[in-house]
Amino acid sequence: KNEVEQSPQNLTAQEGEFITINCSYSVGISALHWLQQHPGGGIVSLFMLSSGKKKHGRLIATINIQEKHSSLHITASHPRDSAVYICAAYSRSNYQLIWGAGTKLIIKP
Amino acid sequence: ETGVTQSPTHLIKTRGQQVTLRCSSQSGHNTVSWYQQALGQGPQFIFQYYREEENGRGNFPPRFSGLQFPNYSSELNVNALELDDSALYLCASKVAGDGGYTFGSGTRLTVV
Repeated sequence: KNEVEQSPQNLTAQEGEFITINCSYSVGISALHWLQQHPGGGIVSLFMLSSGKKKHGRLIATINIQEKHSSLHITASHPRDSAVYICAAYSRSNYQLIWGAGTKLIIKP
Repeated sequence: ETGVTQSPTHLIKTRGQQVTLRCSSQSGHNTVSWYQQALGQGPQFIFQYYREEENGRGNFPPRFSGLQFPNYSSELNVNALELDDSALYLCASKVAGDGGYTFGSGTRLTVV
C-alpha cells in the first residue's frame, strides 16, 4: 500500500460538472501539496495545505488532519482543466515529499 | 526573488554526453530537492540538498550528482547520459523545517 493514495486514477466529466479528487495518506505530515500538470508540461503548484481549506478561483482544497485525507474540488469545470492532478505530502519522518500517483482528468465540452 | 526558476526549459542531448540542469530558488530557501519524472509516471526523488550538503538520496546511480550554492541556486549534473534518462526534471525548494515547497516548472531532457 502506497503511503499516499489518490482516487480516482482517471476521471472523465462533462463541462460544467463539479469535480472531486481525493488524496489519503498514512504517514504523519506537516503539509500537503496539490499540483497540476498538463500533457507534456511542467508542474504547477495549486495549493499547499496544513489545515482547513483554501480557495483560488474555481479550485478549492480541503484537508482533514485527523482523517488523513485531502480533497481537491473544481467547480464549473472547463476543458482547460483537463490535466493530471497530483497530491504530494511532506513527511515529518523522513523530511521528503511523498507523491501520489496522480489523477488524470478529462473535461469534455 | 520569488518563485523557482529552472533552466533550460527543454534540452536535447546525445547518449554518453553530460548535462547540467539549473534551478534558481527563492531567497532564503536553504533546502532543494530534485525529481525525475519519466513519461506517464510520477516524480521520483533523486536527492535533496540542505545548506550545500546532500542530506537525502533516492535510488539513482552516482552519475547523478548535484550542487547547491550559497545564493540559493542549485545544479543537477548527469554524466554518461542514457536513453532512459529522458524525462522531466523538477526542482522544489523550501525553508528547512517548513513543509511548503515551491516548485519549478521543470526541464524536459531528451536523450537521443
